Amino acid sequence: GQQVMQIPQYQHVQEGEDFTTYCNSSTTLSNIQWYKQRPGGHPVFLIQLVKSGEVKKQKRLTFQFGEAKKNSSLHITATQTTDVGTYFCAGRNNDMRFGAGTRLTVKP
Amino acid sequence: DAGVIQSPRHEVTEMGQEVTLRCKPISGHDYLFWYRQTMMRGLELLIYFNNNVPIDDSGMPEDRFSAKMPNASFSTLKIQPSEPRDSAVYFCASSPQSTEAFFGQGTRLTVV
Repeated sequence: GQQVMQIPQYQHVQEGEDFTTYCNSSTTLSNIQWYKQRPGGHPVFLIQLVKSGEVKKQKRLTFQFGEAKKNSSLHITATQTTDVGTYFCAGRNNDMRFGAGTRLTVKP
Repeated sequence: DAGVIQSPRHEVTEMGQEVTLRCKPISGHDYLFWYRQTMMRGLELLIYFNNNVPIDDSGMPEDRFSAKMPNASFSTLKIQPSEPRDSAVYFCASSPQSTEAFFGQGTRLTVV
């Protein structure tokens, strides 16, 4: 079945540094979604990418979907302490399977 | 809409007891997912329903786990008998078609 791999598992940055997490699927995806989970909270939807090669931006966050629709990345420019949390990608066909997540900590 | 509602928020039970987790999805959503989250295994998809019908339960770890969706507004996940290794946070999520999924607050289960 579909498997979604995500790296790195952890990332610790100084405030102001950039951050990137990568996601790879074993199968072609109809779309990929990104979620953020704050400590003690539940996953919250950030964005969905559908088209091959698609790039979307939300303020300091840039999301990319690979040409083959099997990989994706999330890049945060100039991290802030409010960015702390775990970022998950989720491969969506009919089911929705999550990567292991990347836990981001930001040192002020 | 109040969002996806899960109950209870916390459950502490003794090994061997039956545990029932409940979920009320957002009205009009076609898909309902049950996930289990642990530090070791991350967010695992246990089962999902489409229009109240179970589509894929391959993630259900053992026969001790069962899930039902008797109608569009209610689903249960049951563990019988419970074991300490079942301790985790269980999330329910719903979505309309293959779009954004909305998660409940989760049920933190502790089996002692």
